[in-house]
Amino acid sequence: GAVVSQHPSWVICKSGTSVKIECRSLDFQATTMFWYRQFPKKSLMLMATSNEGSKATYEQGVEKDKFLINHASLTLSTLTVTSAHPEDSSFYICSAREGAGGGGDIQYFGAGTRLSVL
Amino acid sequence: EDQVTQSPEALRLQEGESSSLNCSYTVSGLRGLFWYRQDPGKGPEFLFTLYSAGEEKEKERLKATLTKKESFLHITAPKPEDSATYLCAVQAGGGKLIFGQGTELSVKP
Repeated sequence: GAVVSQHPSWVICKSGTSVKIECRSLDFQATTMFWYRQFPKKSLMLMATSNEGSKATYEQGVEKDKFLINHASLTLSTLTVTSAHPEDSSFYICSAREGAGGGGDIQYFGAGTRLSVL
Repeated sequence: EDQVTQSPEALRLQEGESSSLNCSYTVSGLRGLFWYRQDPGKGPEFLFTLYSAGEEKEKERLKATLTKKESFLHITAPKPEDSATYLCAVQAGGGKLIFGQGTELSVKP
């Protein structure tokens, strides 16, 4: 299957600082990538859909000014958590969709990033 | 509203004890139903995609089936290494995946 790399896997930061998470599709081009958040013992919650060369589409309730998404190339999307606070501590996971966007395209996931804000 | 419900929430099996996980869904225009495996602290790993009722797919000890309202993930003679959370998702408009809450499977030797 296709490989998606996510970095860093774990980050600790002080409250008020910004953190950038990278998501790369290693062996395929991904026009669309997705960013999820997962709370302990809970399922994945979609935060935003990232399209190469255009603005991301955010889900209802997700602050676009806090969670900045950039998808500058067909293999790289980044999520920047700005002015992070303890309530932003969570497990963030990206995925990349393989295919032209038709029905049934498979999303391949990164290994996730554990963010802890002190 | 598109919705996915998985049951049971948790399942404990003895090694070799076969069982099934259920995924019930309501979606306007199914474009695909996906099964993923997630280990603790890791991202989901793709297992299967099913597109139409009656379709079945197999991989080692796992077999996924699909009807118009639900999907089953059958686990035959499970081993401890099959312990993980199994996630079901349906594809909605715009390519979004809507996930169920998952079934946490524990297989004891």
